[in-house]
Amino acid sequence: QKEVEQNSGPLSVPEGAIASLNCTYSDRGSQSFFWYRQYSGKSPELIMFIYSNGDKEDGRFTAQLNKASQYVSLLIRDSQPSDSATYLCAVNGRGSTLGRLYFGRGTQLTVWP
Amino acid sequence: GAVVSQHPSRVICKSGTSVKIECRSLDFQATTMFWYRQFPKKSLMLMATSNEGSKATYEQGVEKDKFLINHASLTLSTLTVTSAHPEDSSFYICSVQTGAGTGELFFGEGSRLTVL
Repeated sequence: QKEVEQNSGPLSVPEGAIASLNCTYSDRGSQSFFWYRQYSGKSPELIMFIYSNGDKEDGRFTAQLNKASQYVSLLIRDSQPSDSATYLCAVNGRGSTLGRLYFGRGTQLTVWP
Repeated sequence: GAVVSQHPSRVICKSGTSVKIECRSLDFQATTMFWYRQFPKKSLMLMATSNEGSKATYEQGVEKDKFLINHASLTLSTLTVTSAHPEDSSFYICSVQTGAGTGELFFGEGSRLTVL
């Protein structure tokens, strides 16, 4: 089983602040990394993916990948109360069928007004 | 992306009965779909890979005789929980991977099963 670890939180930040979410993974051969957002009682929705070392920005979201450290993070700038959700890190290992993702337990984020 | 629809969204059944959950890919012909399960406060766990026209591939520890998967067309996969027990109560979510090359999944709305 491929291990994906996240701080379970909860993480609480004020509106307008930067929220930083972290994830580590055990399979050094992992190639694709994903961040999903899941509201309570709902299914996950894709925020962004990254597969190259470095940063990838999409609006208020920035994913960072460091394969040497087996670490991936998500930064949310100008956090809004609507960002309050559980954020799931997912990994697709080397050799795995595309779509066979392994998820962390998620970090619960609360953005307070 | 892909639009994925699941039905029913909620189901309550008695112990010992069977429950069928449908997953439809509305705008994409999916040769492969994935079934995940999520217990409260827990991560999503991959149960099986559903292959159109052939047998599903189950993850280690998932009972294939208990969780029957049928993928009869490019737009429909079904998961049947046979002889359900209270420990099968969970959130079942199907997903589609569009083959874009990066492996991202698009999820259905999920089906919450409660077994009394």
